[in-house]
Amino acid sequence: LAKTTQPISMDSYEGQEVNITCSHNNIATNDYITWYQQFPSQGPRFIIQGYKTKVTNEVASLFIPADRKSSTLSLPRVSLSDTAVYYCLVGDPLYSASKIIFGSGTRLSIRP
Amino acid sequence: EAGVAQSPRYKIIEKRQSVAFWCNPISGHATLYWYQQILGQGPKLLIQFQNNGVVDDSQLPKDRFSAERLKGVDSTLKIQPAKLEDSAVYLCASSREQGANSPLHFGNGTRLTVT
Repeated sequence: LAKTTQPISMDSYEGQEVNITCSHNNIATNDYITWYQQFPSQGPRFIIQGYKTKVTNEVASLFIPADRKSSTLSLPRVSLSDTAVYYCLVGDPLYSASKIIFGSGTRLSIRP
Repeated sequence: EAGVAQSPRYKIIEKRQSVAFWCNPISGHATLYWYQQILGQGPKLLIQFQNNGVVDDSQLPKDRFSAERLKGVDSTLKIQPAKLEDSAVYLCASSREQGANSPLHFGNGTRLTVT
């Protein structure tokens, strides 16, 4: 199982770009990288998933270097509503989600 | 599409009592999960169902926790008897497939307080 390491917390201001980096040195060849967002009193919400290079959707971008030992979630022009906990997960599509472990995540605080 | 529905939203019980949580997954999602989330920690998988069969229950404390998914749709998670350390949010999630690249869709959970 690939273990992930991410910062415990980050602070930023409205309108800034926020980058959260996740380290996964033991990532396996078939593993995908997935990010979830969790607001207080809600369940986690899927943000983005990727395998290599760059993935972009309407919410965020995911940058994955060639060695895939880390990944960076990029949130453009954050607002107060982006204050949440962000989880980075790594897992093989051939295996069930039971093989994926949620860490403690990164607590992102956005200030006015 | 409608999201994952869970009830109740909150529950307070005394230790040694029993409690049950209910989950209705997204229509068409074959895989259903129950997670336990203790305050300040990430969700921890308790059990995974594929249709109405158990895929993984290795982290379910089977002496007190039980879960079922009849007819491959709704699911219930039961705790009997409850302990103080069971105080947590219990999250239900579903996905189209059981592969790790099939995004999980979570409900808003049931917050359990054991006194």
